[in-house]
Formats: sequence, structure tokens, C-alpha cells
Amino acid sequence: EDKVVQSPLSLVVHEGDTVTLNCSYEVTNFRSLLWYKQEKKAPTFLFMLTSSGIEKKSGRLSSILDKKELFSILNITATQTGDSAVYLCAARFQGAQKLVFGQGTRLTINP
Amino acid sequence: ETGVTQTPRHLVMGMTNKKSLKCEQHLGHNAMYWYKQSAKKPLELMFVYSLEERVENNSVPSRFSPECPNSSHLFLHLHTLQPEDSALYLCASSQSPPTGGDVDEQFFGPGTRLTVL
Repeated sequence: EDKVVQSPLSLVVHEGDTVTLNCSYEVTNFRSLLWYKQEKKAPTFLFMLTSSGIEKKSGRLSSILDKKELFSILNITATQTGDSAVYLCAARFQGAQKLVFGQGTRLTINP
Repeated sequence: ETGVTQTPRHLVMGMTNKKSLKCEQHLGHNAMYWYKQSAKKPLELMFVYSLEERVENNSVPSRFSPECPNSSHLFLHLHTLQPEDSALYLCASSQSPPTGGDVDEQFFGPGTRLTVL
């Protein structure tokens, strides 16, 4: 059964800290892994990773995929209160239009 | 309007009611999705429509009935729901290559918060 597991499920840190969110997957014919940020309602797209070992970066956020060990991490440096959200990881398998989502990590940044 | 819109944003209904959720995408995409998001559970895919044809139905109870009249609109018709159906229902859209290859990221609407009494 295709499965995506995120850890931790919840994380509380202080503003300015660096956080690492984890996502492991077991997906048949894996194609790509996507990260989303969900603040109130609609998840918004962050990254799509298809190649192992190549870091994607956007401002203070970065992500990398390890296709051998079947996991991805999302790093956020110098966190701000606006980074507080649920971060969702999803895996897509080849030729399919559906995404398999993890449970999400609820990140809270305290001032 | 831009992106993916959903109406209503909030809905409270009794178990005997019939209601419909509406989703509209303004991105020119050709695939649309319904997801259910319950507390402390992963996003669950319910239905996928590609080129207005249903291509995925993840064992969803028949009290949920999707309809895709064209590539820009998607409905979810609800009848005789149960309290456990209370959740956030998210619509998404994406662009599928015409050759049937891999799709790109999905763009989500704001969701409809459904409460079944």
C-alpha cells in the first residue's frame, strides 16, 4: 500500500530557530515528491522534487530528496512567526494523477 | 477571479439534507480533484476527473456524488450524510499533458468546511 509518513507531527520552536521536517515514503513506481504549506485553508505549493541529491531552494526554505533511502527533508532557517503552518508532503507515482499525502507536520513559531 | 475557487466556504447540514459543493478553476487546467481533510488525518483523495472523465474513485460512499460538466467546473453532490463526514473538502486542479504523462503540481482551492449535524 502506498504510504507517506511525516515527522514530527507537531513542532514548536522560537523565532530565529532552524527546523527540519521529515517525510518518508513507500510508493510504487515513485515519480516525484511535493511539499505544500497549509496555513488556514488551501495548501500552497512549495517544491516538487524528482531527482535525488539536488537541493531546491526558495528564500529561507530548502528541500532535498533521497531516492535511495526514500525520504525528503524540508529545512526552514531563521524561522519567523509567518512560517507557522501545517507542512504537507505528498508523493506521486509514475503515470498517475493522484497524490498520496502524509499526515502533515504542524509547525508553530513562537516570538 | 483567479486560481481555484470554492463555494460555499462553510456549510452546516442535517443528515437528511441534499446540498452541493462547487469548485471552479480559472487556470485552464484539464484535471480536477476532490479531497477530504479530517482532523489529524492525511488528505484523502476522493475523486479525480481528467478531461471531464472520472479516472479515480477511491472507494467513496455513494452519498457523495461528483459531477464535472466541463473542465472548469466540478461539483460534489451530498445526500444523507453522516456526522463523520464533517470535514474540510478541498478541490484542486492541475494540467495533465495530452500524451497522458505525468502531471504537474496541484493548485488547491480554499475549501468548504462542512458540518453534518
